[in-house]
Amino acid sequence: DTEVTQTPKHLVMGMTNKKSLKCEQHMGHRAMYWYKQKAKKPPELMFVYSYEKLSINESVPSRFSPECPNSSLLNLHLHALQPEDSALYLCASSQGATVFYGYTFGSGTRLTVV
Amino acid sequence: SQQGEEDPQALSIQEGENATMNCSYKTSINNLQWYRQNSGRGLVHLILIRSNEREKHSGRLRVTLDTSKKSSSLLITASRAADTASYFCATDSNQAGTALIFGKGTTLSVSS
Repeated sequence: DTEVTQTPKHLVMGMTNKKSLKCEQHMGHRAMYWYKQKAKKPPELMFVYSYEKLSINESVPSRFSPECPNSSLLNLHLHALQPEDSALYLCASSQGATVFYGYTFGSGTRLTVV
Repeated sequence: SQQGEEDPQALSIQEGENATMNCSYKTSINNLQWYRQNSGRGLVHLILIRSNEREKHSGRLRVTLDTSKKSSSLLITASRAADTASYFCATDSNQAGTALIFGKGTTLSVSS
């Protein structure tokens, strides 16, 4: 299995809702990442997990809460989002926690906040 | 914060032509990577070039790296309509534990 699987592919949520994005990989990769991408912009780093521990939080608002229950699974819990949080949320993984490996990306969750 | 800046922002060519995209970055790096993104989908890793390498090939892709100028180029030879996508360079900041930061990207359109 050489894929990163993200669910759901599309999500529409209200500003008072609580939802979660899920990311799964079975490649034995020990680093996992969340990126946010707005239309016609590059991906922006949000969080990095290394060996199931949060190692980087790029000053992301607390309405985004990451969780890494095990080495194969990464969640992003969403609460009280704003319309400007609408974006493509990308999950990625890599063999190690350094930048000496290429990343494998999922196909993303397209989030719309109404 | 963005480390890499690609140019041109957009490039339109005919099938069979070569496409060259450039990336400049600001700080020392351990390596530089190139990714492709088809419209609205995930990114695909194309090639990684380490800071002590000057050139790398993979199929129709040729990447060069000039650390003295803090720049890299991606050449796609004999382009195909399927090469239509956005291309991003990505770098680290030469610090342990950092993750990839992506440049603004080049949008390539290949027409048949």
